[in-house]
Amino acid sequence: KAGVTQTPRYLIKTRGQQVTLSCSPISGHRSVSWYQQTPGQGLQFLFEYFSETQRNKGNFPGRFSGRQFSNSRSEMNVSTLELGDSALYLCASSFLAGGPDNEQFFGPGTRLTVL
Amino acid sequence: AQSVTQLGSHVSVSEGALVLLRCNYSSSVPPYLFWYVQYPNKGLQLLLKYTSAATLVKGINGFEAEFKKSETSFHLTKPSAHMSDAAEYFCAVRPRNTGGFKTIFGAGTRLFVKA
Repeated sequence: KAGVTQTPRYLIKTRGQQVTLSCSPISGHRSVSWYQQTPGQGLQFLFEYFSETQRNKGNFPGRFSGRQFSNSRSEMNVSTLELGDSALYLCASSFLAGGPDNEQFFGPGTRLTVL
Repeated sequence: AQSVTQLGSHVSVSEGALVLLRCNYSSSVPPYLFWYVQYPNKGLQLLLKYTSAATLVKGINGFEAEFKKSETSFHLTKPSAHMSDAAEYFCAVRPRNTGGFKTIFGAGTRLFVKA
């Protein structure tokens, strides 16, 4: 069974640009969550989607947005990039939404560098 | 608000020695608790989880953790460290009163294993 895939793996952008990251969950999984990992702030929850609906959202500005398609693939978009947006963006998928018994499987992440 | 604290950003042990990684949480209601491991350039992998069944939880790769409500702790241990255990470890909490995956991660502890 293929794992969670994220594309691209590495990305370099300049300030002010926008970027779209993609996540393909494990086949059959309907929940996708996004996290930002930085050396200073650690791992922070961005948002979670289940059946094309955003269920939870972290404390990030409106420049960060996401969506989920009918095939459960998800994209996140960051507009007007800032230097502080440089991070590893991790996607995680799960069969169901929430609950302790629904394990999240993480992808390898997309490393975004903003110059 | 819930939070999780990992004591020690870096821990160094000799191969064969006991591994102890500390995690304390702050919550009025015991949350779901997790330990994840992250190898370089990889996503997170679930080691073990506490969901209110047995307080001593066994995970993969010989790791285990004990939930102690009185101490609000969920420390991770392994009796004998292997070189392959060198990685970053994250303690995480997930509030019981949410329906999703709004997971809160600790800052992480990097484990070094000396030969």
